[in-house]
Amino acid sequence: ILNVEQSPQSLHVQEGDSTNFTCSFPSSNFYALHWYRWETAKSPEALFVMTLNGDEKKKGRISATLNTKEGYSYLYIKGSQPEDSATYLCAFPPGKSTFGDGTTLTVKP
Amino acid sequence: SAVISQKPSRDICQRGTSLTIQCQVDSQVTMMFWYRQQPGQSLTLIATANQGSEATYESGFVIDKFPISRPNLTFSTLTVSNMSPEDSSIYLCSVKGGSGGGEQYFGPGTRLTVT
Repeated sequence: ILNVEQSPQSLHVQEGDSTNFTCSFPSSNFYALHWYRWETAKSPEALFVMTLNGDEKKKGRISATLNTKEGYSYLYIKGSQPEDSATYLCAFPPGKSTFGDGTTLTVKP
Repeated sequence: SAVISQKPSRDICQRGTSLTIQCQVDSQVTMMFWYRQQPGQSLTLIATANQGSEATYESGFVIDKFPISRPNLTFSTLTVSNMSPEDSSIYLCSVKGGSGGGEQYFGPGTRLTVT
């Protein structure tokens, strides 16, 4: 059983704050790492597919980095907005992806 | 990308009854995945549904409890049988994207409460 851990479990920030959270995964036999955003009452939505050590990907104010040697990925949100409030999941493929428990972000206006 | 719809979006059911959840995809896919998220826990894979063959269940999940149908390449159903309060969860179906990155697309989920 693969161990994919996310921290913190939850995070409350003020609008405009920047924040980051972590996904840890087994560093051996790395294939890819996926980040998803899951807003309440909506479908989980793929944010990033990270495949190479040192990868940095960006979508608007959200970016992610990857360190496959030490087995972690960071997700950063710059200038958080209330619409960023969601649960952020990482998943470790291949095949049947193993999901972390998620980090639930609440951004207060 | 894939657009996935699920029915029902939510339901409240009594202990001992069964509920069938439908999943429709807007394109033909070989594999469809069924997940659940129990309160406070991560997404857990229940089974993989392949068209034309029996579903493959993960450890801890059995066909008698979660029978799956996959009559064609765009549709699948998951039945939660003989429900108990422990089955209260969000159930999601999912398919893999075709970009090669392996990312998944999810339906909006079925929020089930068993009383």
